[in-house]
Amino acid sequence: DARVTQTPRHKVTEMGQEVTMRCQPILGHNTVFWYRQTMMQGLELLAYFRNRAPLDDSGMPKDRFSAEMPDATLATLKIQPSEPRDSAVYFCASGLRGRAMDNEQFFGPGTRLTVL
Amino acid sequence: AQSVTQLDSQVPVFEEAPVELRCNYSSSVSVYLFWYVQYPNQGLQLLLKYLSGSTLVKGINGFEAEFNKSQTSFHLRKPSVHISDTAEYFCAVSVISGGYNKLIFGAGTRLAVHP
Repeated sequence: DARVTQTPRHKVTEMGQEVTMRCQPILGHNTVFWYRQTMMQGLELLAYFRNRAPLDDSGMPKDRFSAEMPDATLATLKIQPSEPRDSAVYFCASGLRGRAMDNEQFFGPGTRLTVL
Repeated sequence: AQSVTQLDSQVPVFEEAPVELRCNYSSSVSVYLFWYVQYPNQGLQLLLKYLSGSTLVKGINGFEAEFNKSQTSFHLRKPSVHISDTAEYFCAVSVISGGYNKLIFGAGTRLAVHP
């Protein structure tokens, strides 16, 4: 069945290193969301893409985070340089923008990032 | 600004007992409401959604929720829970922000079902 996939599932790295997280949205979906989940902040929206174009990245720290969609089957989220406070679970979700408010999003399993 | 409040951070319950997870929202416009479930080490999965029509919405795994406009609530219920329902539950409202629809999530309620 169709699912959002994310790689890697777990990543442990040292402060200052570059981290790249990848997401494959469900085939045919035209929206992609990146979220960060922490105990303190809950679920935070980092970025939103529609038809591969970034429409909102106001939730991302611009100096170190970047998000791209090189093609319709791949979304990436990069952190460079990484910091311990970036430790969190990062989720990718995809959807099909049809009806105005029918906003079902399909979530991937997440990437658990630990920055030492 | 729209927001979602989940009144209980944790709800312990015994197996086969009924459960209600509370959710209140604030919005000055028409609302579209969702409940998602997150099982341990997994992503979020849609349980049910309210877009329009009947205020009682049935979802997967025997869950249902009732939209109450006067009380601005969208509480989630199940008449008899199973151990496998142990998970975190998120209420969300769909809003238009920056020209697109986005989901605003509550802080989550951890449901712990005990034998």
